[in-house]
Amino acid sequence: GAVVSQHPSRVICKSGTSVKIECRSLDFQATTMFWYRQFPKQSLMLMATSNEGSKATYEQGVEKDKFLINHASLTLSTLTVTSAHPEDSSFYICSAPRDGTNEKLFFGSGTQLSVL
Amino acid sequence: AQTVTQSQPEMSVQEAETVTLSCTYDTSESDYYLFWYKQPPSRQMILVIRQEAYKQQNATENRFSVNFQKAAKSFSLKISDSQLGDAAMYFCAYRRIMGAQKLVFGQGTRLTINP
Repeated sequence: GAVVSQHPSRVICKSGTSVKIECRSLDFQATTMFWYRQFPKQSLMLMATSNEGSKATYEQGVEKDKFLINHASLTLSTLTVTSAHPEDSSFYICSAPRDGTNEKLFFGSGTQLSVL
Repeated sequence: AQTVTQSQPEMSVQEAETVTLSCTYDTSESDYYLFWYKQPPSRQMILVIRQEAYKQQNATENRFSVNFQKAAKSFSLKISDSQLGDAAMYFCAYRRIMGAQKLVFGQGTRLTINP
């Protein structure tokens, strides 16, 4: 079945540094990918829609300069948290639909970011 | 904008019993998808069941079934013969038919299975 690989699964960084999270569709093309954030004991909140070859679409209240999204190929999207601060500590999950289908979304396994 | 509401933060059920998780949603669209996702402690999102709004028949997947009431905008999940492995967070989610396939999630319900 279709798989979305997300790396790293866990990252700890110092305040002020940048962290890159990768989301890769392993056996299908995904022109669009979605990035979600989940705070402890809360729901998944959509941060942005990543579009291959064009700018990402950010949800209201999400700082585009802080959360840089690059969708450079049909199988890879990256989320970079720039100048991370403790309040950015969260669980980040990507998901993607297979191109040309209206079926379910495939989710990555998530990345737990802890900013010290 | 579409919203999804799960009014039960926590539920518990005895093993082998049946439990129903509630979900309501708000939309002005006539066609859409509704989902129930399970998030175990590993936090991997697992699709439990999917319902197309244009289908009147309630979706069923083995021990999992839904009660879809379109007019009432209600979409509850029934888990029969509950098993210990069913313990998880359950999220109800909405997705438009057309346009971007992004999901709108409810707040979640934490389900505990008592042995």
